[in-house]
Amino acid sequence: DAGVTQSPTHLIKTRGQQVTLRCSPISGHKSVSWYQQVLGQGPQFIFQYYEKEERGRGNFPDRFSARQFPNYSSELNVNALLLGDSALYLCASSLTGSTSSYEQYFGPGTRLTVT
Amino acid sequence: AQRVTQPEKLLSVFKGAPVELKCNYSYSGSPELFWYVQYSRQRLQLLLRHISRESIKGFTADLNKGETSFHLKKPFAQEEDSAMYYCALEVEYGNKLVFGAGTILRVKS
Repeated sequence: DAGVTQSPTHLIKTRGQQVTLRCSPISGHKSVSWYQQVLGQGPQFIFQYYEKEERGRGNFPDRFSARQFPNYSSELNVNALLLGDSALYLCASSLTGSTSSYEQYFGPGTRLTVT
Repeated sequence: AQRVTQPEKLLSVFKGAPVELKCNYSYSGSPELFWYVQYSRQRLQLLLRHISRESIKGFTADLNKGETSFHLKKPFAQEEDSAMYYCALEVEYGNKLVFGAGTILRVKS
């Protein structure tokens, strides 16, 4: 298993555009979480999905949305991009929705640059 | 408010010296705490969690609820320990982690 995979690796967008980031969890994992990591800071929680339902949402504007598909892969969408959305976007998967029970495995991230 | 504070951006020690990476948290509920590590050009990965009370790669961390701390310790640092270390707090039920800003550990030979 290649672990959690994310695509694309890098992305450059212009202010006002929309972007879709993709994540494939480890086989058998049903929970996917998304984090935003701005340079010099720790990851910040955006969303968690488990069994295709949203289980948690962080303090992000409605421009951010996500979904999980029947195969447990996930997409993160960001509309009306702002310069401040430039960050590394991390996806993490785990067997279930409880971190304390099962380890979260992180992907390599997608580097988004908004110009 | 839910918050994790790692006061040191950089900790530089010599090989063989003891290491302590500090982590303080603010949370009204029952805390579940973790240390994650990111080695150069690698993914973020779990190092240890307080509920398992394990020692991983010689590292240990004790939850001190009175001081709201979860410091990471190792008695003798090795060069391969050089990495970015993040302390994280699980809030609510599920995979919502609140991360600190991270501490770079540099072990010098």
